[in-house]
Amino acid sequence: GAVVSQHPSWVICKSGTSVKIECRSLDFQATTMFWYRQFPKQSLMLMATSNEGSKATYEQGVEKDKFLINHASLTLSTLTVTSAHPEDSSFYICSAADIPEAFFGQGTRLTVV
Amino acid sequence: DAKTTQPPSMDCAEGRAANLPCNHSTISGNEYVYWYRQIHSQGPQYIIHGLKNNETNEMASLIITEDRKSSTLILPHATLRDTAVYYCIVRVDSSNTGKLIFGQGTTLQVKP
Repeated sequence: GAVVSQHPSWVICKSGTSVKIECRSLDFQATTMFWYRQFPKQSLMLMATSNEGSKATYEQGVEKDKFLINHASLTLSTLTVTSAHPEDSSFYICSAADIPEAFFGQGTRLTVV
Repeated sequence: DAKTTQPPSMDCAEGRAANLPCNHSTISGNEYVYWYRQIHSQGPQYIIHGLKNNETNEMASLIITEDRKSSTLILPHATLRDTAVYYCIVRVDSSNTGKLIFGQGTTLQVKP
């Protein structure tokens, strides 16, 4: 199957700093990628849809100014958590579609201290 | 996209078949049933999907009832590595490019 690579796998940052997470589709082009967040013992929650060459579409309740998404090419989307706080600590996962399947990255564990 | 209902947890003995049910009573005619699983601290993994007919691949079988209101994912010979959360999702294939809305899923514990 297709491969989606996410980097870094884990990151620890200080409160108030920004963190960038990369999501790459390695062997296919993805005009659309998706970002999810998952808290412990909970399901994945869709945060936003990343569209190549245009603005991301955010789900209700997700702050677009806090979670900046850039999809500059057909194989790369980035999520930047700005001014991170401890409550932003979570597991962030991206996905890209190679229809009819959606392929997921391995996830990024963010810990804000 | 239609909502799904799954039992929160199930146990299965290693080597036996694991049968995971999913109810999707409000499914529309053009909605597919997808199954994904998530092993602890990893991204979800695609398993199988179907519309009307039963489907089988190297990982699992998908049995969809004739009225399409429910389905069962079958892992024929469960191993300890199949311990994971299994998600049943219904969506229209042509409506988007991979957007998935996850429910709570079923935590399958395969025991030796």
